[in-house]
Order: sequence, then structure tokens, then C-alpha cells
Amino acid sequence: GAVVSQHPSWVICKSGTSVKIECRSLDFQATTMFWYRQFPKQSLMLMATSNEGSKATYEQGVEKDKFLINHASLTLSTLTVTSAHPEDSSFYICSARRDRGSGYTFGSGTRLTVV
Amino acid sequence: SQELEQSPQSLIVQEGKNLTINCTSSKTLYGLYWYKQKYGEGLIFLMMLQKGGEEKSHEKITAKLDEKKQQSSLHITASQPSHAGIYLCGADQYGNKLVFGAGTILRVKS
Repeated sequence: GAVVSQHPSWVICKSGTSVKIECRSLDFQATTMFWYRQFPKQSLMLMATSNEGSKATYEQGVEKDKFLINHASLTLSTLTVTSAHPEDSSFYICSARRDRGSGYTFGSGTRLTVV
Repeated sequence: SQELEQSPQSLIVQEGKNLTINCTSSKTLYGLYWYKQKYGEGLIFLMMLQKGGEEKSHEKITAKLDEKKQQSSLHITASQPSHAGIYLCGADQYGNKLVFGAGTILRVKS
């Protein structure tokens, strides 16, 4: 079956620094990857959609300069939280899809804590 | 944009009891996904429904999509502690992306 690996599973960083989260599709080529954010006791909020080789499409209210997304290959997308602040602390989770008719496979998530 | 309403927000049931979680969309669904999540962990895929009137079952969990493709329900029969977690319905927006309802937190009392 389709497997998506996300790293790191947790990270603690200092305020003002940047953090990169990786999302890899291990056994399939993902033409589209998605990044979500989840606050405690809340649902998943879609942040952006990225297609391999093109710029990411961000959802309304998501700062593209704050959350940099790169989808350089068909198996890897990265989310970089730039100049992180405590309010960026959250659970970030990625999803990948082979093509438009395929299902969505989720990574195991990354818990980011900014101190 | 498509809005998903999921109910109830939380649910506590006695072990062995049945329960139902509902998901209603403001627009016709292209596809409806059900996932389970343990807090702080990834999503476990349960079922995907695409056709009006479709019903799927896996072990003690049954999901249905109504004929109009705007409402789905997830039914758990004879709940077990292992069923506890967060249940999320997700609407596939015209095959472009997946957006989620607010989620239902399920607790099963032994």
C-alpha cells in the first residue's frame, strides 16, 4: 500500500529560527502533496497544496512567506516554518496523492514546539 | 467553498453500545473520506465513499453516503475501547483537495 513518511516526528526550536519538515512518499510518486495544521482538540486545517515542479497554492489566511513549501521531486515535499514564534507551535501533517483519482495517504505528523 | 458539519463534537459511550457520527456537506460531495486519529498521531484511513447510496463496512464500522451525496454517517456496532479516538470526515473537493470537518472525539467507557 501507499506509505508516506514524515520527519521529524517532533522538533523543538528557539523563537526566530526556521524549521524544515519533510514529507516523502516511499512507494509511489506523488504528483500532489498537501500540508495541514492541527491545533489541540481541533480538526485538520489545510494550509497549502503543492504540485511537483510548480508553486504551492496556499489557502486563504496562510502566509506564504512564513510557510515555505517546496515540492522539488515526485517523492519529496518540504515545509519550512520561517522565523518561528510560539504561536506557530502546532501539529503539522502532510498528505500525498499519486494522481487525481487516487486516495490521500497521510504522514504521521510533526509536533513543532517553539520556545 | 464547501463546508462540512460534523456531529456530535464529542461522544462518550459505554462499551458494547452502538453509535453514529454524522457529516453533512453544504455542496454535493465528489468523494467523502472517513479517518480515525489518535491525538498527536497520523490519520488512519477507514473508508471512502463516492457513489450516492453507497455503503461500506469494515469489521464493526459501517459508513453510508446518501443518495444526494451531501450527507454521510459512520456507525460503530458494539463499541470497544479500541474504537476510541478522533473521527474525521473529509470532503474531496472536486478531486483537487481534501478538507475536513471539525471531528468527533469518541470515548468508550469500559
